[in-house]
Amino acid sequence: QVQLQESGPGLVKPSQTLSLTCTVSGGSISSGSYYWSWIRQPAGKGLEWIGRIYTSGSTNYNPSLKSRVTISVDTSKNQFSLKLSSVTAADTAVYYCARESGYSYGCTYWGQGTLVTVSS
Amino acid sequence: NFMLTQPHSVSESPGKTVTISCTGSSGSIASNYVQWYQQRPGSAPTTVIYEDNQRPSGVPDRFSGSIDSSSNSASLTISGLKTEDEADYYCQSYDSSPQVVFGGGTKLTVL
Repeated sequence: QVQLQESGPGLVKPSQTLSLTCTVSGGSISSGSYYWSWIRQPAGKGLEWIGRIYTSGSTNYNPSLKSRVTISVDTSKNQFSLKLSSVTAADTAVYYCARESGYSYGCTYWGQGTLVTVSS
Repeated sequence: NFMLTQPHSVSESPGKTVTISCTGSSGSIASNYVQWYQQRPGSAPTTVIYEDNQRPSGVPDRFSGSIDSSSNSASLTISGLKTEDEADYYCQSYDSSPQVVFGGGTKLTVL
């Protein structure tokens, strides 16, 4: 059973860069035709897809966030990471990492989520 | 931009059947797979339907998914409602990028 776990600071100052890591266990991040994705959810609101990475390093980003987002992968550590620059209070949300099917783009496995608050 | 529209909320009594709709803004919703997620308060979403109408193992057959090309919509139907079904439900598909797109979510109240 694949498991994902987010980690990173829970508090980030405005204008700084939010950095999160997702550790994958129960399987190799390099095996199978899967994408590794980040999704966020502000309190009381819906889900917003941030972007994905394939283990080859190819990425796709949500156009609304593309100028501020970088997703990277470290296959040796079975991890992938998110960096979101120039954050504001609007970036306060629960951030989830997920495994996305390379066939149907469905998110089969999710991390438990981590709350990131942007505040001075 | 491709969008998915869901009703904000639905409610129904235990034992009854409820259907949640998810309407695509453009193109044919039947062209790309639709997934449905259940999210209980304080928890991550879990898949109840994938690839339009497939149930993951462990999801009861009270949950079913369908596509209606004529209305460009997907539907999640839950029969024999239980109080434990009370949750937020999100549909999800993708556009040509392919960018993942979520519906706005529907709050199901079982009263």
